Amino acid sequence: RKEVEQDPGPFNVPEGATVAFNCTYSNSASQSFFWYRQDCRKEPKLLMSVYSSGNEDGRFTAQLNRASQYISLLIRDSKLSDSATYLCVVKGLTGGGNKLTFGTGTQLKVEL
Amino acid sequence: EAGVTQFPSHSVIEKGQTVTLRCDPISGHDNLYWYRRVMGKEIKFLLHFVKESKQDESGMPNNRFLAERTGGTYSTLKVQPAELEDSGVYFCASSQVTEYNSPLHFGNGTRLTVT
Repeated sequence: RKEVEQDPGPFNVPEGATVAFNCTYSNSASQSFFWYRQDCRKEPKLLMSVYSSGNEDGRFTAQLNRASQYISLLIRDSKLSDSATYLCVVKGLTGGGNKLTFGTGTQLKVEL
Repeated sequence: EAGVTQFPSHSVIEKGQTVTLRCDPISGHDNLYWYRRVMGKEIKFLLHFVKESKQDESGMPNNRFLAERTGGTYSTLKVQPAELEDSGVYFCASSQVTEYNSPLHFGNGTRLTVT
């Protein structure tokens, strides 16, 4: 079983739609959680951290459920520029607390 | 502020050859990480430097991979001899502090193809 699991997609949605991505992680001792965005042939970039109480940044809302070991990302009013791969990332699974463990990513395509 | 820079951006070598990848972290960032994405797989941790010291090298696949960070500035990752399965994108990242929520800044990556 992978340490971080995501549905690879692709999710094809029309502009303006709301889309949600889910992610599960295997180690209950994980310390912190992030969503990264990666454009085609580019480096991953931090989209947002995920806090236990849930957090929002503009059109993006992240939720964490520690009991179910589940993380989600909700994107409202999708834009064409949101098309990218969204990586669920967990920190602190093994050894030192600064090693990031990535999911394979969920691909989003926003269409006209 | 200049970001994390990596060189070369692409490298195509034959099996058995040697390749050296370079990473220049953001100035002042003590923490430097190497990650790798093999085709179709997730990005995986290779190792972590704090200044010039290897903090964690548990992700290094085997002894064909050698990472250095002399002087605690830029880092190199040498693959010798390269094998076909080493093909992938090698990312370098840096961060200023090691607190649990400190963001990592990634470079554009080096795309390595071993033929």
